[in-house]
Amino acid sequence: NAGVMQNPRHLVRRRGQEARLRCSPMKGHSHVYWYRQLPEEGLKFMVYLQKENIIDESGMPKERFSAEFPKEGPSILRIQQVVRGDSAAYFCASSPRTAGGTDTQYFGPGTRLTVL
Amino acid sequence: QQQVKQSPQSLIVQKGGISIINCAYENTAFDYFPWYQQFPGKGPALLIAIRPDVSEKKEGRFTISFNKSAKQFSLHIMDSQPGDSATYFCAGSGAGSYQLTFGKGTKLSVIP
Repeated sequence: NAGVMQNPRHLVRRRGQEARLRCSPMKGHSHVYWYRQLPEEGLKFMVYLQKENIIDESGMPKERFSAEFPKEGPSILRIQQVVRGDSAAYFCASSPRTAGGTDTQYFGPGTRLTVL
Repeated sequence: QQQVKQSPQSLIVQKGGISIINCAYENTAFDYFPWYQQFPGKGPALLIAIRPDVSEKKEGRFTISFNKSAKQFSLHIMDSQPGDSATYFCAGSGAGSYQLTFGKGTKLSVIP
């Protein structure tokens, strides 16, 4: 059973370009979470999505960042007009989200974004 | 506002020793406290988790101790091995929110 998959693993962009990060959840998981990790820091929550719905985007910057999880295909985190401060590791997690309680979140290997 | 404070930032332990990492949380609505282990270049992997209805949970060499009144919890790694060298993150979630709030991490080095 494949785990959470993310691609690309490494992404280099110049300032002003767009970055697209993809996440395929574990089989049977319909809930996806995106986190950002700056060097020497813990992970910071960005957004929580279910298929075709954004449930909680309280951690996502209002400008330039967007996320989607379409009915078919992977979840996408999109960063427009990247700046150097966007350089970080972006992790996706998925959970099965059964009724009640807090499901375990399983993390992917991350995408390391470098903005030149 | 940092809602989960983790210490120490780094830890060096001899092989066979006990590694202890501490966390304190502020949000009294948290009801789920996982610990994640992360190796360089990899994503975090769930190690062990606890809910406030128990004071201790043990899985193999890993034990979580939980003190609800003090809003603190800790990870103990018994018989630490060089393969345990990694960064460990504590986290909390709850109050109807699914987002995990992480501590800043502890870099553990186990030396032979």
